[in-house]
Amino acid sequence: GAGVSQSPSNKVTEKGKDVELRCDPISGHTALYWYRQRLGQGLEFLIYFQGNSAPDKSGLPSDRFSAERTGESVSTLTIQRTQQEDSAVYLCASSPSHGYNEQFFGPGTRLTVL
Amino acid sequence: AQTVTQSQPEMSVQEAETVTLSCTYDTSESDYYLFWYKQPPSRQMILVIRQEAYKQQNATENRFSVNFQKAAKSFSLKISDSQLGDAAMYFCAYRRTQGGSEKLVFGKGTKLTVNP
Repeated sequence: GAGVSQSPSNKVTEKGKDVELRCDPISGHTALYWYRQRLGQGLEFLIYFQGNSAPDKSGLPSDRFSAERTGESVSTLTIQRTQQEDSAVYLCASSPSHGYNEQFFGPGTRLTVL
Repeated sequence: AQTVTQSQPEMSVQEAETVTLSCTYDTSESDYYLFWYKQPPSRQMILVIRQEAYKQQNATENRFSVNFQKAAKSFSLKISDSQLGDAAMYFCAYRRTQGGSEKLVFGKGTKLTVNP
């Protein structure tokens, strides 16, 4: 079956512009996660969605970052007024339910802020 | 706070040889999951192996096995009969569950080179 997909694969933007990144989870997966991976670093948690529960936004680095998810489908991560330090790979993952012992990752979006 | 430490930024191994990647973590929880993920240049994170803390037996998946030392909070990955396709970044991760949320906490990774 289809895995987690993300779009765009690469995004180059100018400092100060807004960007929107998209994640399509595996069908039927109720849990969805966003992570950020800076160059040469491990993944940092950004946000967690589970079904219709309130999301855990504790990992969002600033109020320029926001994310939405409609039901158990697509999620979008929006970064407003991008800064050069926002340059990173943004990875999305999904899993069948809360507490499931594996997260399935998408290929990521590489964001470059000039 | 839970942290994950990978002390080897880079490792290399000869094809067909064995290599061990180190990982230590810090937690106050008694039951938890640990993972090793592989990330090739394609960026795709691939689960290599997982271990549940309450299971004393070390997990094994074909050529990949772990040495899980709960008291020492150590979780190393052994790759036997290394193949060229094993070359990648390897990340150790801890699954943190708190309230109704959960997330993976990752180490900074080890870059594995496999020499022919």
